[in-house]
Amino acid sequence: DAKTTQPNSMESNEEEPVHLPCNHSTISGTDYIHWYRQLPSQGPEYVIHGLTSNVNNRMASLAIAEDRKSSTLILHRATLRDAAVYYCILRDGVQGGSEKLVFGKGTKLTVNP
Amino acid sequence: DSGVTQTPKHLITATGQRVTLRCSPRSGDLSVYWYQQSLDQGLQFLIQYYNGEERAKGNILERFSAQQFPDLHSELNLSSLELGDSALYFCASSVEVTPGGEQFFGPGTRLTVL
Repeated sequence: DAKTTQPNSMESNEEEPVHLPCNHSTISGTDYIHWYRQLPSQGPEYVIHGLTSNVNNRMASLAIAEDRKSSTLILHRATLRDAAVYYCILRDGVQGGSEKLVFGKGTKLTVNP
Repeated sequence: DSGVTQTPKHLITATGQRVTLRCSPRSGDLSVYWYQQSLDQGLQFLIQYYNGEERAKGNILERFSAQQFPDLHSELNLSSLELGDSALYFCASSVEVTPGGEQFFGPGTRLTVL
């Protein structure tokens, strides 16, 4: 499984943008970049995913570097509810390939009021 | 609410015992995944079922087994329990086997082995 590297922790202020980085230098051409987050005492929650192009949804934006060796999850206006551990995960996109999620240690985001 | 339900929410048992954790996937989801989250190992994939058949295996111990029934609910059986099996066990489901598809996680079952 291709590996990802994320900072252990980050801090942000409420209503400010947050940029969560992820390095994945060994990414293969068929790997999708997924982001999940886990709020305290809850199961992981899907945030966003992408392959090559930048992606936006109601929760966040995903900016993918041109060489795909890194990506950044962007929360446009952090709220207290966004305090969670954020996981950057690579998933094999080959049909019939592994669908499991391989979680690393993630980035613990603290949002200050 | 992800639509995935897990029972029980908490389970306290003794070493050597056997327990069964139950998962009901979202309506229409054919794939069920089991994950274990412990303090020292983090979140780890255990096993996946798709439409009743085992599809992928991860770091699942031989003392553990799972199955998916015709109504698509799944059970994870843990036997000869050890202290180190204390963890949160999450079930997730997805619509089908798609390369980019998201998984929907349940609230988890917290297992404490005394």
